[in-house]
Amino acid sequence: QSALTQPPSASGSPGQSVTISCTGTSSDVGAYNYVSWYQQHPGKAPTLMIYEVSKRPSGVPDRFSGSKSGNTASLTVSGLQAEDDADYYCSSYAGSNLYVFGTGTKVTVL
Amino acid sequence: QVQLQQWGTGLLKPSETLSLTCAVYGGSFSGYYWSWIRQPPGKGLEYIGESIHGGSANYKPSLKSRLTISLDTSENQLSLKLSSVTAADTAVYYCARGGLPGGFDLWGQGTMVTVSS
Repeated sequence: QSALTQPPSASGSPGQSVTISCTGTSSDVGAYNYVSWYQQHPGKAPTLMIYEVSKRPSGVPDRFSGSKSGNTASLTVSGLQAEDDADYYCSSYAGSNLYVFGTGTKVTVL
Repeated sequence: QVQLQQWGTGLLKPSETLSLTCAVYGGSFSGYYWSWIRQPPGKGLEYIGESIHGGSANYKPSLKSRLTISLDTSENQLSLKLSSVTAADTAVYYCARGGLPGGFDLWGQGTMVTVSS
């Protein structure tokens, strides 16, 4: 099971939007609507931001949104704020009770 | 509020067995999948495996021969044992709740495990 492909970095100024892609295959991202996204600050555990492609857990700002087309999922952060500066990882169910994570994207708020 | 608290040996020699425990406080243990995920220094996340009360454990195929994940429902704890460790097993290990369908929604604080001779 190969890791899902994410761009290494993305950036934007406060108030702008940034979109991160997550590309898998027809066996994971393309096969299931079980894509989730995680935010990780340095030295901290990841935090769930999006699940089932586009659903937000309670407490996650609506500035975070998710979508999927074919084998590629995307996370959009609108109205960037300083606290959004972090690493972001996607994850997908890959069948047979297995999961695969993305390579990770460092988002920098300029 | 549900919290996960984990602990275990932080420094191992090659060929030894890694052993970690994760306790679940303040919430139900039954009815959820409980997983282990690791992150090598400076790298991304890697799913290791999961277990659920009353069900079987599921393991990443490449680790299956060395891995045991078990649940102690009397103590609300899950454990991880990884045998014959090498330097490639050096990572921060996280316990987490969930998987399907809602993602990994709760995480432990992480335990750094270093394998070095």
